[in-house]
Amino acid sequence: AQRVTQPEKLLSVFKGAPVELKCNYSYSGSPELFWYVQYSRQRLQLLLRHISRESIKGFTADLNKGETSFHLKKPFAQEEDSAMYYCALRDSNYQLIWGAGTKLIIKP
Amino acid sequence: DGGITQSPKYLFRKEGQNVTLSCEQNLNHDAMYWYRQDPGQGLRLIYYSQIVNDFQKGDIAEGYSVSREKKESFPLTVTSAQKNPTAFYLCASSKGLATDTQYFGPGTRLTVL
Repeated sequence: AQRVTQPEKLLSVFKGAPVELKCNYSYSGSPELFWYVQYSRQRLQLLLRHISRESIKGFTADLNKGETSFHLKKPFAQEEDSAMYYCALRDSNYQLIWGAGTKLIIKP
Repeated sequence: DGGITQSPKYLFRKEGQNVTLSCEQNLNHDAMYWYRQDPGQGLRLIYYSQIVNDFQKGDIAEGYSVSREKKESFPLTVTSAQKNPTAFYLCASSKGLATDTQYFGPGTRLTVL
């Protein structure tokens, strides 16, 4: 079955510390993976996609097919990174399958 | 910010009543989507439309209906057949179905009393 798992509902780290938001997936084909973010009082928006291998706001995510993971990382957390983060997988019908989300809190 | 608008922001409904949630976009996007979000769960797809006058069921379409008479509009009706309609509803759009970026509206919170 196709599934996206974000094992942490809540992650709290201090400002300046490294951040890693975990995402694991279950998919039989070649996955397309995304991270979406929702800041307080803002809309859900795309943060990054694995296919473009880009770094957005200092965040990167590497697709690890062996471990079926797509963890989101940032070396030094900033207070403005506090938000809800969702990992999503696009299936062969172009539909997004979503994880339950991780709430990231950056403590000052 | 414009792009996609949803109204109303909050909606209360009595049991047994149908209710329609509005979704409008001015991004000239062909594809539009309706998702449902419940606490502690990811978004689940209700319906999607690839083009005007065409729409497809998503994973949880039972108890819902949609129409796509105009490119800009994709209203969702929550019918009395939906057993647990209290939820947060998100509308999204993208240039095309195969386009990877979806743009989201602000959402409508529906509460059934």
